[in-house]
Amino acid sequence: GDSVTQMEGPVTLSEEAFLTINCTYTATGYPSLFWYVQYPGEGLQLLLKATKADDKGSNKGFEATYRKETTSFHLEKGSVQVSDSAVYFCALSGTGGGNKLTFGTGTQLKVEL
Amino acid sequence: KAGVTQTPRYLIKTRGQQVTLSCSPISGHRSVSWYQQTPGQGLQFLFEYFSETQRNKGNFPGRFSGRQFSNSRSEMNVSTLELGDSALYLCASTGQGRAGANVLTFGAGSRLTVL
Repeated sequence: GDSVTQMEGPVTLSEEAFLTINCTYTATGYPSLFWYVQYPGEGLQLLLKATKADDKGSNKGFEATYRKETTSFHLEKGSVQVSDSAVYFCALSGTGGGNKLTFGTGTQLKVEL
Repeated sequence: KAGVTQTPRYLIKTRGQQVTLSCSPISGHRSVSWYQQTPGQGLQFLFEYFSETQRNKGNFPGRFSGRQFSNSRSEMNVSTLELGDSALYLCASTGQGRAGANVLTFGAGSRLTVL
C-alpha cells in the first residue's frame, strides 16, 4: 500500500539557517504530494503541493520538488525563522479516488535565536 | 469565510462510554474526512464522506462510525471507548474542482481523553 517516510525529528536550527526535511514515498500510480504544517494546539494547514513529476510547490519561502525518479518530495527553506517552529507532515493522495491522504510521521522543527 | 469547525474541542470520557464528535465544513465543501492523531501511530485515516455517502474507510474497528447530513455537516461516533482511543480527532473538508482536489482544510480538532 501507499506509505510516506520522513526524517526523524526533532530538528533544531538557528534562525536564518537552511532547512531540509527529507520525505520519500511509495505509491502506485501518480499521486499528488503535499506538505502540511501543524502549530501547537492547532489543526494541520496546507503548506504546499505538487500534482505531477517535476512540479515545484512553493509557499512562504518553503519549496519542494516532486521527484518521481527518486520518489522524493524534500522540503527546503533558505532561511528559517523562529515562527517556523512547528511539526511538518509530508503526505500523498491515493490514486483510488476520493480525498484520502497518507501521512508521514511528522518532523518537529525548532528554530532558536 | 469561516473555516472548519469542530466541537467539542476537549472532552473526557471513561472506558465503555460512547462519544459523538461534530464537524462543520467550509461552506460549499461536500467532502468531509476524519483522521485520528496519536503520538504513537501518527495521523491515521478514519473515513471520508461525500454527499452523505461514505466514500472511503480506513482500518478501524466497527466501533468507529460516522455520518454526513444533507448540509454536509458530519459526525463521528466511537462506542465502547477504550484507553487507546485517547487521541486528537481531526476533521477536514475538501472543495470541488481540479484546484481543490485532495486539498484538505483541517479543523482544530477534538481532543478526547479516555480514563
